[in-house]
This record gives sequence, C-alpha cells and structure tokens, in this order.
Amino acid sequence: GAGVSQSPRYKVAKRGQDVALRCDPISGHVSLFWYQQALGQGPEFLTYFQNEAQLDKSGLPSDRFFAERPEGSVSTLKIQRTQQEDSAVYLCASGRSGAFGADTQYFGPGTRLTVL
Amino acid sequence: EDKVVQSPLSLVVHEGDTVTLNCSYEVTNFRSLLWYKQEKKAPTFLFMLTSSGIEKKSGRLSSILDKKELFSILNITATQTGDSAVYLCAVTTNAGKSTFGDGTTLTVKP
Repeated sequence: GAGVSQSPRYKVAKRGQDVALRCDPISGHVSLFWYQQALGQGPEFLTYFQNEAQLDKSGLPSDRFFAERPEGSVSTLKIQRTQQEDSAVYLCASGRSGAFGADTQYFGPGTRLTVL
Repeated sequence: EDKVVQSPLSLVVHEGDTVTLNCSYEVTNFRSLLWYKQEKKAPTFLFMLTSSGIEKKSGRLSSILDKKELFSILNITATQTGDSAVYLCAVTTNAGKSTFGDGTTLTVKP
C-alpha cells in the first residue's frame, strides 16, 4: 500500500454541514496538493504544502475552505457550511520533491463530495 | 493568470489509428509540463517534460514539448480500446503550483 490514500471515498452532506476530508500521502513525500475537480473539467488547484508549511492557498475558493498538515504528513481539507456548488471530487496528490518546482504528482483516488 | 488549453475536447477513433493530442499553455515561471491519463478514477502519470525538443517515449505513447511556441503534443500510435480515457495536461511553475487543462476525452472503438 504505497500509494496516496484518501478518506472517505464518498461523502454526502446536507447544505450547511461541515465536512473534513483526509489525505494520507506517500510516506516521505514532501509536497502535498489539494485539487477540486468538477464533472467534465480538469482538476483545479486549491492549495499546496511543503512539509507542514502551506506555501500557496490561492486556489481556495472562499474562507469556508481550510487545509492543514500539522505534522508534515497527513493533511485534512475542511469545508465549513457546505453549499451545493462545493459538490465535486476532491483530489489529493503528493510529490517526492520539496524543492521549488514540481515533480511528478501521485494522485489519490479522490473523495466525491455531494452536497444536497 | 496561468492558462492551459487542450484540444480537441473529444476524439473518437478506431483501434489501430494514431492520435495526436494538443496542449498549449501560458504560465509565469514555467517549470515542467506533465501528461496524465484519467479513467474513472484519479489521474495516473504518463510523462514529465522540461526541455524543448526532447521526445519522451513509453511504448505506443510519446510526447514532446516546444517551449518557444508554448505547446506540447501527446501521440498514441496503434490505439487500443484500453487507451480510452481523458488525457490531462498540467503545467507546473517554479512556485510549485500546477494548472490543469480540461482534458481531451479519447474514445477508441473496436
């Protein structure tokens, strides 16, 4: 089991609920990315960590979205007061390199969030 | 704003055909261009390109980057039904950010 894992795989939330999505990157990978992928579109960047440092959060669509990686391994993406437009697949990816610049990103299976 | 545009949006071919998928980009501080294959799950890595004019090859797939004209192509020869997927192009910057295109949906008919 050396790949990126995400949980839950599927999440249904009622509008207004808070959700937390978990990502376990490949062991030893320094960089970690979160993406949001709507149906029929490519992944949209949300945020990027290098170890525990969140270096770029410019893609987070609103202040309802919050991500953390407190010990530089597992990361959690939290969405507060979910809205229907938050429905998407949330992908996590990790990369071996911690240097500036990106190397190959290995993706997890994603969490499909449906907000009713 | 960084932008990645893929074409065509979708493509239907028959087994044995050769296809060429296109990816053009406009980004600040280009670092690398990556191609991914996405079936009904997360994207899987195909190629990473950083230098112009050097072809990367893996079996029936190959790709090349033109940093002057800001595009890349992905070629698939002798296509098989198992090649049916969405092919994503992503460009990464020196700051570590990746921008993806919306993908090309390839359907290979028997």
